[in-house]
Amino acid sequence: QSALTQPPSASGSPGQSVTISCTGTSSDVGGYNFVSWYQHHPGKAPKLMIYEVNTRPSGVPDRFSGSKSGNTAFLTVSGLQAEDEADYYCSSYGGRNNMIFGGGTKLTVL
Amino acid sequence: EVQLFESGGGLVQPGGSLRLSCAASGYIFNNYAMNWVRQAPGKGLEWVSVFNGGGGGPNYADSVRGRFTISRDNSRNTLYLQMNSLRVEDTAVYYCVKENLPGTTFEHWGQGTLVTVSS
Repeated sequence: QSALTQPPSASGSPGQSVTISCTGTSSDVGGYNFVSWYQHHPGKAPKLMIYEVNTRPSGVPDRFSGSKSGNTAFLTVSGLQAEDEADYYCSSYGGRNNMIFGGGTKLTVL
Repeated sequence: EVQLFESGGGLVQPGGSLRLSCAASGYIFNNYAMNWVRQAPGKGLEWVSVFNGGGGGPNYADSVRGRFTISRDNSRNTLYLQMNSLRVEDTAVYYCVKENLPGTTFEHWGQGTLVTVSS
């Protein structure tokens, strides 16, 4: 199965909101409510930010939210802060007991 | 606190073998599915393999099927990845990843171990 499609980059100023998309197919993103988003600062372990489309793990600020429409999922970061600058990856269950990742989006806080 | 610690990475020649280990602590290891996910230099994340908890079996990405073998020792709370017939394109940081209980997401990640395949 092919990787999910994410924009390579996104940016916003402190305090603004930014939305990152993640496009798959009806066999993955569109077929299951098992979309997750991960924050990755280079050199560190990736961190789960959103799972099952729109659920935040404990400890993740409510500035982070997720949604889905058809075959595309979205991560919205509101009230951007400097520490939000990182790479963000989406993933989706792809059937047959495997997970698929997006190519990643580099978020820059201007 | 969940902790995952990978080891076993290093430099290996094409065609060679390497075994990665992941020591887990802070939770009931055998209840959870465990995965390996890798990131090649300058590239995105790629799921490699899963070993299901509760008696389930393994699965592999097409890119490694037939060359890599995932296993787990529940008595030692350790996950393994035996990598054979290594290729230059297997060069990556390999992360050990614990799923959540329903198996819908990658809940906890290790820091990763670097595997370099080069002559």
